[in-house]
Amino acid sequence: KNEVEQSPQNLTAQEGEFITINCSYSVGISALHWLQQHPGGGIVSLFMLSSGKKKHGRLIATINIQEKHSSLHITASHPRDSAVYICAVVVETSGSRLTFGEGTQLTVNP
Amino acid sequence: SQTIHQWPATLVQPVGSPLSLECTVEGTSNPNLYWYRQAAGRGLQLLFYSVGIGQISSEVPQNLSASRPQDRQFILSSKKLLLSDSGFYLCAWSWATGGEKLFFGSGTQLSVL
Repeated sequence: KNEVEQSPQNLTAQEGEFITINCSYSVGISALHWLQQHPGGGIVSLFMLSSGKKKHGRLIATINIQEKHSSLHITASHPRDSAVYICAVVVETSGSRLTFGEGTQLTVNP
Repeated sequence: SQTIHQWPATLVQPVGSPLSLECTVEGTSNPNLYWYRQAAGRGLQLLFYSVGIGQISSEVPQNLSASRPQDRQFILSSKKLLLSDSGFYLCAWSWATGGEKLFFGSGTQLSVL
């Protein structure tokens, strides 16, 4: 069993829909990252959080440390949001190293 | 501001040939440096990380090696490439305090034929 599990693996939505991607982990962590990988392969770090909630534009990330769960929400989705979204955790005893989920392929249709 | 450069963007190499991918960071000092690989249809996997010059930690046994000859230079190498080395390689850096935001290079698509 992977230490970081994401769901769903694939998600197709219509433009304007509210989207949620979930991440569960089974280890103690010091931080959690949400990353966005574009079709060309480039990766952008969206959020790094260790508690609570962060918001940037139409993106919202939440984390519940007790439940070992994080969610990434996209409001008013747009075709340009189509990408792979990756959850990654910094395991407590690992220094700065990340352990990655398998990613969620999001496709937003116009 | 900090920038990260990774090259080449794409590379096609025959089996058994050597490999050298280079990554440099500008605008910061003593960064943590990382090499990741994304095999086709799979998630990212940490290959190596470094917290300082000459300090390399390997996460998984493999056909690859890494070196950090200078503070802001990280090199991924192989003496003889295998077919299974094909994939998308990403260099990244973070501040040395740890747990901080990661900054990724643009990646190298390596095809071993």
